[in-house]
Amino acid sequence: QVQLVQSGAEVKKPGASVKVSCKASGYTFTSYDINWVRQATGQGLEWMGWMNPNSGNTGYAQKFQGRVTMTRNTSISTAYMELSSLRSEDTAVYYCARAGDYGDYVDYWGQGTLVTVSS
Amino acid sequence: VIWMTQSPSLLSASTGDRVTISCRMSQGISSYLAWYQQKPGKAPELLIYAASTLQSGVPSRFSGSGSGTDFTLTISCLQSEDFATYYCQQYYSFPRTFGQGTKVEIK
Repeated sequence: QVQLVQSGAEVKKPGASVKVSCKASGYTFTSYDINWVRQATGQGLEWMGWMNPNSGNTGYAQKFQGRVTMTRNTSISTAYMELSSLRSEDTAVYYCARAGDYGDYVDYWGQGTLVTVSS
Repeated sequence: VIWMTQSPSLLSASTGDRVTISCRMSQGISSYLAWYQQKPGKAPELLIYAASTLQSGVPSRFSGSGSGTDFTLTISCLQSEDFATYYCQQYYSFPRTFGQGTKVEIK
């Protein structure tokens, strides 16, 4: 069965960087795009960007341009999202999310990784 | 950027009710719309894609309709496990965008 297993919770200071991993299993990792979506406590879903694990091509929401980097290691079927220059507003649960068979909706989600930014 | 207006933001209903949630786009997106359900502390789950295609395993009481700019999610007979927050998402263009969410609560 398809699974996306994310790394554990992180606590970071303002100005630091965080790198969240997302290990895929149960399917061919390079065949489906990975999206990253975040959700602040009590708030809605916010799309951050996408990555094609086969080519490494990426696309980021303008809000995160210059601060976010999405990469992958195909040998271990793992995607990464690194966010730099963290501020308190970046405190949120970060999800990796696999694109579907018939379009770029999300059919499988990771369990989420809580990133807390606090001095 | 495609802006989405999801309504209502809060819906109070009883078990057995028929409920509808609306999602309106700032421009046409053909049928590139998905609906998700999210329960507290959990990741969202896909209900519907391509505006009206039910994801495998999703109960048939859920249905989606619409194309272009106006879309609807309908739950025909609300069950206790359906009390949750629902989001629409367009995947027609970048950046992908989500609606603000509709919380369905017990009346």
